[in-house]
Amino acid sequence: DTAVSQTPKYLVTQMGNDKSIKCEQNLGHDTMYWYKQDSKKFLKIMFSYNNKELIINETVPNRFSPKSPDKAHLNLHINSLELGDSAVYFCASSPRQGMGVFYGYTFGSGTRLTVV
Amino acid sequence: GEDVEQSLFLSVREGDSSVINCTYTDSSSTYLYWYKQEPGAGLQLLTYIFSNMDMKQDQRLTVLLNKKDKHLSLRIADTQTGDSAIYFCADRPFGNEKLTFGTGTRLTIIP
Repeated sequence: DTAVSQTPKYLVTQMGNDKSIKCEQNLGHDTMYWYKQDSKKFLKIMFSYNNKELIINETVPNRFSPKSPDKAHLNLHINSLELGDSAVYFCASSPRQGMGVFYGYTFGSGTRLTVV
Repeated sequence: GEDVEQSLFLSVREGDSSVINCTYTDSSSTYLYWYKQEPGAGLQLLTYIFSNMDMKQDQRLTVLLNKKDKHLSLRIADTQTGDSAIYFCADRPFGNEKLTFGTGTRLTIIP
């Protein structure tokens, strides 16, 4: 059973389109994240949700809107896609802060978004 | 803000030891992590160290932490072809669940 699963794995779309990426975790974690990895492999946090509540919102264009219907799901919707949005988007989750040692994140396998 | 730096590339002969270095700027970092990313895959947690420790060993992996210099290293003994990957260090400031990742070091194994 995959711990953090993202769909789709690959997404090719035209500029101007709207698309969504879904993420689900079955680890019982309270916190979920979206990270963007660019072509140089740099990883940057975009958003974090703790039990459906937004707790981190880095400087991201408002074309990106996360949605967390419950603590096991965190979806990312992107409006009016641009060429510069091409990247690999990783979802991750972690247990609630303070629950013993913080083991870091468990990552999904990524969604490679290509905007043409 | 926090900054985490790594060398971008490292080449090592098979069977030798690999040492991947990382420097960070946030003195409130509580945990520091090493992640491995194989081609086309997500990041896999390799090991972590708490900021009050100097060293941690886990099979072929040894993590050294110099808190005064804010320097972290990962040593992989007897490097194998399966160790080819990008290695990311990351730090977690006190009271913050956000991890800040380094730029990643691409480790290439020379046969």
